[in-house]
Amino acid sequence: KAGVTQTPRYLIKTRGQQVTLSCSPISGHRSVSWYQQTPGQGLQFLFEYFSETQRNKGNFPGRFSGRQFSNSRSEMNVSTLELGDSALYLCASSLGLVRPGELFFGEGSRLTVL
Amino acid sequence: AQSVTQLGSHVSVSEGALVLLRCNYSSSVPPYLFWYVQYPNQGLQLLLKYTTGATLVKGINGFEAEFKKSETSFHLTKPSAHMSDAAEYFCAVSEGGGSEKLVFGKGMKLTVNP
Repeated sequence: KAGVTQTPRYLIKTRGQQVTLSCSPISGHRSVSWYQQTPGQGLQFLFEYFSETQRNKGNFPGRFSGRQFSNSRSEMNVSTLELGDSALYLCASSLGLVRPGELFFGEGSRLTVL
Repeated sequence: AQSVTQLGSHVSVSEGALVLLRCNYSSSVPPYLFWYVQYPNQGLQLLLKYTTGATLVKGINGFEAEFKKSETSFHLTKPSAHMSDAAEYFCAVSEGGGSEKLVFGKGMKLTVNP
């Protein structure tokens, strides 16, 4: 069974640009969550989607947005990039209420903003 | 609001020695508690979780954790460390109740010396 796939794995952008990150969940998983990981702030929750609906949102500015498609694949977008957006962005999928909190993480997309 | 405290950021043990990683939580509702492990350049992997029932929880790779409500703790232990245990360990708390949002501690980097 394939795991969570995130693309791209690495990317470099400059300030002011925008970026879109993609996440393909494990087959059968309808819940997708996104986290930002930085050395200073650790792991911070960004969003949670279930069946194309955003169920929860973390404390991030409106520049951070996401969506989920009918096939459960998810994307997140960051507009007007800032240096502080440099981070590892992790996507996780799960079975949702069936096994709450049991998240399966991808290897992440490492974003560097110059 | 829920929170998790992992005091310190690094711990070093000798191979074969006891591993003890501490986690204290704060939650206004009965918590779901988790330990995740992150190997270098990888995403997070679930080690074990506590939801209800038995307070001593066994996980993968010989790890276990004990939920102590009176101490608001969920410490992770392993009787004998192996070189392959070197990784970063995260304690997390969830409200459950339909949300997959996890609040993570800052993490503890475990080094195992030969």
